[in-house]
Amino acid sequence: GAVVSQHPSRVICKSGTSVKIECRSLDFQATTMFWYRQFPKQSLMLMATSNEGSKATYEQGVEKDKFLINHASLTLSTLTVTSAHPEDSSFYICSADPGQGLDEQFFGPGTRLTVL
Amino acid sequence: GENVEQHPSTLSVQEGDSAVIKCTYSDSASNYFPWYKQELGKRPQLIIDIRSNVGEKKDQRIAVTLNKTAKHFSLHITETQPEDSAVYFCAASARAQKLVFGQGTRLTINP
Repeated sequence: GAVVSQHPSRVICKSGTSVKIECRSLDFQATTMFWYRQFPKQSLMLMATSNEGSKATYEQGVEKDKFLINHASLTLSTLTVTSAHPEDSSFYICSADPGQGLDEQFFGPGTRLTVL
Repeated sequence: GENVEQHPSTLSVQEGDSAVIKCTYSDSASNYFPWYKQELGKRPQLIIDIRSNVGEKKDQRIAVTLNKTAKHFSLHITETQPEDSAVYFCAASARAQKLVFGQGTRLTINP
Protein backbone atom coordinates (compact mmCIF):
# COMPACT_ATOMS: atom_id res chain seq x y z
CA GLY A 1 0.00 0.00 0.00
CA ALA A 2 0.82 3.72 0.09
CA VAL A 3 1.89 4.05 -3.53
CA VAL A 4 2.51 7.44 -5.11
CA SER A 5 2.98 7.87 -8.85
CA GLN A 6 4.28 10.76 -10.90
CA HIS A 7 3.86 11.52 -14.55
CA PRO A 8 5.81 12.06 -16.67
CA SER A 9 8.99 10.43 -15.41
CA ARG A 10 11.10 12.43 -17.80
CA VAL A 11 10.41 15.49 -19.92
CA ILE A 12 12.51 17.59 -22.25
CA CYS A 13 11.12 20.92 -23.37
CA LYS A 14 12.16 24.11 -25.07
CA SER A 15 12.82 27.27 -23.12
CA GLY A 16 9.66 29.32 -22.66
CA THR A 17 7.21 26.43 -22.66
CA SER A 18 5.16 25.21 -19.72
CA VAL A 19 5.33 21.75 -18.26
CA LYS A 20 2.77 20.03 -16.04
CA ILE A 21 3.75 17.26 -13.63
CA GLU A 22 1.12 15.07 -11.99
CA CYS A 23 1.39 13.42 -8.59
CA ARG A 24 -1.16 10.77 -7.65
CA SER A 25 -1.74 8.76 -4.52
CA LEU A 26 -2.94 5.44 -5.88
CA ASP A 27 -4.30 3.62 -2.86
CA PHE A 28 -4.92 6.27 -0.24
CA GLN A 29 -6.26 9.76 0.08
CA ALA A 30 -3.83 12.57 0.73
CA THR A 31 -5.07 15.83 2.12
CA THR A 32 -1.54 17.17 1.95
CA MET A 33 1.05 16.74 -0.76
CA PHE A 34 4.51 18.23 -0.90
CA TRP A 35 6.63 19.25 -3.89
CA TYR A 36 10.41 19.07 -3.74
CA ARG A 37 13.16 20.03 -6.15
CA GLN A 38 16.52 18.31 -6.19
CA PHE A 39 19.48 19.62 -8.17
CA PRO A 40 22.33 17.22 -9.01
CA LYS A 41 24.31 16.11 -5.97
CA GLN A 42 22.18 18.22 -3.68
CA SER A 43 19.50 17.61 -1.12
CA LEU A 44 15.74 17.76 -1.51
CA MET A 45 14.43 21.29 -1.10
CA LEU A 46 10.78 21.78 -0.30
CA MET A 47 9.10 24.07 -2.81
CA ALA A 48 5.53 24.10 -1.56
CA THR A 49 2.90 22.36 0.52
CA SER A 50 -0.30 21.55 -1.28
CA ASN A 51 -3.56 21.09 0.58
CA GLU A 52 -6.64 19.73 -1.11
CA GLY A 53 -9.14 22.44 -1.89
CA SER A 54 -6.99 25.35 -0.82
CA LYS A 55 -4.09 27.42 -2.04
CA ALA A 56 -0.62 26.02 -1.79
CA THR A 57 1.87 27.35 0.71
CA TYR A 58 5.16 28.22 -0.95
CA GLU A 59 8.57 28.22 0.67
CA GLN A 60 10.58 31.39 0.76
CA GLY A 61 12.23 32.12 -2.54
CA VAL A 62 9.88 29.97 -4.62
CA GLU A 63 7.88 31.99 -7.14
CA LYS A 64 4.22 31.01 -6.89
CA ASP A 65 3.43 32.47 -10.32
CA LYS A 66 6.13 30.37 -11.91
CA PHE A 67 5.39 27.11 -10.11
CA LEU A 68 1.63 26.70 -10.18
CA ILE A 69 0.24 24.04 -7.86
CA ASN A 70 -3.25 22.63 -7.99
CA HIS A 71 -4.59 20.05 -5.56
CA ALA A 72 -8.13 19.57 -6.82
CA SER A 73 -8.77 16.15 -5.35
CA LEU A 74 -7.59 13.97 -2.50
CA THR A 75 -5.53 11.85 -4.87
CA LEU A 76 -4.08 14.32 -7.35
CA SER A 77 -1.80 17.32 -7.16
CA THR A 78 -0.20 19.00 -10.16
CA LEU A 79 2.83 21.22 -10.51
CA THR A 80 3.08 23.42 -13.59
CA VAL A 81 6.41 25.00 -14.37
CA THR A 82 5.47 28.03 -16.44
CA SER A 83 7.80 29.60 -18.99
CA ALA A 84 10.50 27.12 -18.16
CA HIS A 85 14.14 28.10 -18.52
CA PRO A 86 17.34 26.02 -18.40
CA GLU A 87 17.86 26.89 -14.73
CA ASP A 88 14.57 25.13 -13.95
CA SER A 89 16.10 21.85 -15.09
CA SER A 90 15.98 19.61 -12.06
CA PHE A 91 14.52 16.48 -10.48
CA TYR A 92 11.05 17.23 -9.13
CA ILE A 93 9.65 14.87 -6.49
CA CYS A 94 6.29 14.88 -4.81
CA SER A 95 5.28 13.24 -1.57
CA ALA A 96 1.89 12.53 -0.07
CA ASP A 97 0.83 12.57 3.54
CA PRO A 98 -1.96 10.11 4.30
CA GLY A 99 -2.70 11.89 7.57
CA GLN A 100 -4.54 9.73 10.09
CA GLY A 101 -1.89 10.46 12.68
CA LEU A 102 0.94 9.05 10.59
CA ASP A 103 4.16 11.00 10.25
CA GLU A 104 5.54 9.16 7.24
CA GLN A 105 5.32 10.73 3.81
CA PHE A 106 5.27 8.61 0.68
CA PHE A 107 7.37 9.76 -2.21
CA GLY A 108 6.68 9.62 -5.91
CA PRO A 109 9.37 8.33 -8.28
CA GLY A 110 10.28 11.83 -9.43
CA THR A 111 10.25 13.71 -12.73
CA ARG A 112 13.44 14.65 -14.50
CA LEU A 113 12.89 18.00 -16.26
CA THR A 114 15.39 19.19 -18.84
CA VAL A 115 14.84 22.61 -20.38
CA LEU A 116 16.79 23.27 -23.55
CA GLY B 1 12.32 27.59 10.84
CA GLU B 2 13.92 24.20 11.15
CA ASN B 3 17.51 23.71 10.05
CA VAL B 4 19.10 20.28 9.72
CA GLU B 5 22.85 19.80 9.45
CA GLN B 6 24.29 16.47 8.31
CA HIS B 7 27.84 15.15 8.50
CA PRO B 8 29.92 13.86 6.90
CA SER B 9 29.15 14.74 3.29
CA THR B 10 31.08 11.70 2.08
CA LEU B 11 31.98 8.50 3.88
CA SER B 12 34.00 5.57 2.67
CA VAL B 13 34.21 2.36 4.70
CA GLN B 14 35.47 -1.15 4.15
CA GLU B 15 32.91 -3.84 3.60
CA GLY B 16 31.94 -5.35 6.91
CA ASP B 17 32.80 -2.25 8.92
CA SER B 18 30.28 0.10 10.48
CA ALA B 19 29.16 3.48 9.16
CA VAL B 20 27.82 6.35 11.24
CA ILE B 21 26.11 9.47 9.93
CA LYS B 22 25.16 12.31 12.23
CA CYS B 23 22.56 15.06 12.06
CA THR B 24 21.62 18.00 14.23
CA TYR B 25 18.38 19.95 14.16
CA SER B 26 17.40 23.33 15.50
CA ASP B 27 13.65 23.26 16.17
CA SER B 28 12.78 21.74 19.54
CA ALA B 29 9.24 21.17 18.26
CA SER B 30 10.48 18.56 15.76
CA ASN B 31 9.35 15.11 16.79
CA TYR B 32 9.79 12.88 13.75
CA PHE B 33 13.20 11.96 12.34
CA PRO B 34 13.33 9.72 9.26
CA TRP B 35 16.36 8.49 7.37
CA TYR B 36 16.26 7.94 3.64
CA LYS B 37 18.46 6.08 1.18
CA GLN B 38 18.51 7.44 -2.34
CA GLU B 39 20.05 5.82 -5.36
CA LEU B 40 20.85 7.83 -8.45
CA GLY B 41 17.72 9.01 -10.23
CA LYS B 42 15.40 7.28 -7.77
CA ARG B 43 12.99 8.41 -5.10
CA PRO B 44 14.15 8.58 -1.47
CA GLN B 45 13.49 5.29 0.28
CA LEU B 46 12.64 5.34 3.98
CA ILE B 47 15.00 2.98 5.79
CA ILE B 48 14.24 3.80 9.41
CA ASP B 49 12.59 6.51 11.44
CA ILE B 50 12.36 7.51 15.07
CA ARG B 51 9.96 9.60 17.03
CA SER B 52 10.84 11.87 19.90
CA ASN B 53 9.37 9.61 22.55
CA VAL B 54 12.15 7.04 22.12
CA GLY B 55 15.92 7.25 22.21
CA GLU B 56 16.91 4.36 19.99
CA LYS B 57 15.43 2.11 17.35
CA LYS B 58 16.97 -0.83 15.55
CA ASP B 59 16.06 -2.81 12.47
CA GLN B 60 18.51 -5.58 11.66
CA ARG B 61 21.77 -3.88 10.59
CA ILE B 62 20.37 -0.37 10.86
CA ALA B 63 19.88 1.65 14.04
CA VAL B 64 19.04 5.22 14.83
CA THR B 65 19.68 7.08 18.07
CA LEU B 66 18.12 10.34 19.17
CA ASN B 67 19.31 12.80 21.80
CA LYS B 68 16.54 15.34 22.25
CA THR B 69 18.48 17.43 24.73
CA ALA B 70 21.38 17.91 22.36
CA LYS B 71 19.09 17.95 19.31
CA HIS B 72 21.02 15.38 17.38
CA PHE B 73 20.32 11.98 15.89
CA SER B 74 22.52 9.43 14.20
CA LEU B 75 22.26 6.56 11.75
CA HIS B 76 24.34 3.46 12.38
CA ILE B 77 24.83 0.77 9.75
CA THR B 78 26.69 -2.33 10.87
CA GLU B 79 28.26 -5.09 8.78
CA THR B 80 28.14 -2.89 5.71
CA GLN B 81 27.69 -4.45 2.30
CA PRO B 82 28.36 -3.09 -1.21
CA GLU B 83 24.62 -2.60 -1.76
CA ASP B 84 24.60 -0.11 1.11
CA SER B 85 26.45 2.31 -1.17
CA ALA B 86 24.10 5.24 -1.84
CA VAL B 87 23.29 8.74 -0.68
CA TYR B 88 21.66 8.95 2.74
CA PHE B 89 19.53 11.83 3.96
CA CYS B 90 18.29 12.62 7.42
CA ALA B 91 15.22 14.77 7.93
CA ALA B 92 13.19 16.32 10.70
CA SER B 93 9.62 17.49 11.03
CA ALA B 94 7.18 18.65 13.65
CA ARG B 95 3.83 16.93 13.90
CA ALA B 96 2.28 16.59 10.44
CA GLN B 97 4.52 19.33 9.17
CA LYS B 98 6.92 19.57 6.28
CA LEU B 99 10.15 17.57 6.22
CA VAL B 100 13.43 19.46 6.32
CA PHE B 101 16.29 17.45 4.89
CA GLY B 102 19.95 17.36 5.73
CA GLN B 103 22.54 17.92 3.03
CA GLY B 104 23.10 14.23 2.41
CA THR B 105 25.96 11.78 2.86
CA ARG B 106 27.43 9.81 -0.01
CA LEU B 107 28.34 6.43 1.45
CA THR B 108 30.73 4.19 -0.44
CA ILE B 109 31.38 0.63 0.69
CA ASN B 110 34.72 -0.66 -0.53
CA PRO B 111 34.92 -4.41 -1.22
